[in-house]
Amino acid sequence: AQTVTQSQPEMSVQEAETVTLSCTYDTSESDYYLFWYKQPPSRQMILVIRQEAYKQQNATENRFSVNFQKAAKSFSLKISDSQLGDAAMYFCAYRSYVNTGNQFYFGTGTSLTVIP
Amino acid sequence: EAGVAQSPRYKIIEKRQSVAFWCNPISGHATLYWYQQILGQGPKLLIQFQNNGVVDDSQLPKDRFSAERLKGVDSTLKIQPAKLEDSAVYLCASSAKDLRDGNGYTFGSGTRLTVV
Repeated sequence: AQTVTQSQPEMSVQEAETVTLSCTYDTSESDYYLFWYKQPPSRQMILVIRQEAYKQQNATENRFSVNFQKAAKSFSLKISDSQLGDAAMYFCAYRSYVNTGNQFYFGTGTSLTVIP
Repeated sequence: EAGVAQSPRYKIIEKRQSVAFWCNPISGHATLYWYQQILGQGPKLLIQFQNNGVVDDSQLPKDRFSAERLKGVDSTLKIQPAKLEDSAVYLCASSAKDLRDGNGYTFGSGTRLTVV
């Protein structure tokens, strides 16, 4: 089974600064998707960014970008120009490309605090 | 577009009691998911429906958990009898189809269950 590991339970960043959240995963599949989800206190999971494993180019969405290292099975999230609204739990997730009906596998999350 | 609706938002019950959660997915979404998120962990899939049929319930504790989606729209998740370890947030999500790339996959705000 696929596993996703987030080794940073908590992170903090100064407003307007940059922070990087780490994620590693384990899989025997060659094609898959990776995601970063944000969960604010409202509890709704909000998609931040996704990466297709077959693409070498790292995904970017405005202030959010990833560093995808397929060989190392590493998928980190960089948040630039951090804002107070970025404070939340961040979950890294994996989903198979091949198998239908497959689930998301989530990490244990990183709690991000933004310091004014 | 209305989001995924869940109720109740909070529920406190005593162990061995029963409880039910309700989910109304986004209109037209054929696929519906129930996730369990224990404190300090990422969400874990309990069951996935495609219309009113079960696609995956391999991680549903069937001795105490049951779920149904009779008309392919709303869904209910029931726990009977509840145990202390069932304390968690129960998230519902829906998608137009089983989109592995995560596009159009929407989570609700969940029900926080506390078993005392």
